[in-house]
Amino acid sequence: GQQVMQIPQYQHVQEGEDFTTYCNSSTTLSNIQWYKQRPGGHPVFLIQLVKSGEVKKQKRLTFQFGEAKKNSSLHITATQTTDVGTYFCAALIKAAGNKLTFGGGTRVLVKP
Amino acid sequence: GAGVSQSPRYKVAKRGQDVALRCDPISGHVSLFWYQQALGQGPEFLTYFQNEAQLDKSGLPSDRFFAERPEGSVSTLKIQRTQQEDSAVYLCASSPHAVTYGYTFGSGTRLTVV
Repeated sequence: GQQVMQIPQYQHVQEGEDFTTYCNSSTTLSNIQWYKQRPGGHPVFLIQLVKSGEVKKQKRLTFQFGEAKKNSSLHITATQTTDVGTYFCAALIKAAGNKLTFGGGTRVLVKP
Repeated sequence: GAGVSQSPRYKVAKRGQDVALRCDPISGHVSLFWYQQALGQGPEFLTYFQNEAQLDKSGLPSDRFFAERPEGSVSTLKIQRTQQEDSAVYLCASSPHAVTYGYTFGSGTRLTVV
């Protein structure tokens, strides 16, 4: 069963607006990674968060790991058409072994 | 090589046929993973190698699925007696270390069983 849930499943954003996508688990996560998959492409690694409460920024993208290490968020400011794609969070769950468990993804569509 | 290479890019198999999917990871990457991605879904774990050792095969859907990495480099995912439900994109990923680094994915093999 899916141990990592992402919401929303779809995100329609007007170009220039901000949005946030969330990743939640009932289990404490060892670390969390975020990937972006363009339509027709493969997942591309964006970032890894390890510490409780950690915040990392990449240009217009801000990634946060929850204090309890059970959730994470990705916030994109001033959305551009190049942000189109599916954003996946992927978690390392100790009980599940040394492999990433992916969420279902948030599909982002940008309206120009 | 510069990235993870997978072949073939597309494969159409008749139901009941055997298929073999190849993954050539980044040179020196110890960890290699196979994932299955159905349309509109997130990647689902199949199996994991550390060098030539298959440490986790808990995600393989049935005994028709078999993976190997005999020399700790190239890996092959074999599916015997393919079924329609096997249709998906099969993604291979490699990493210098299983838990410390992000994965580099290949472009995947899109398998269609007809």
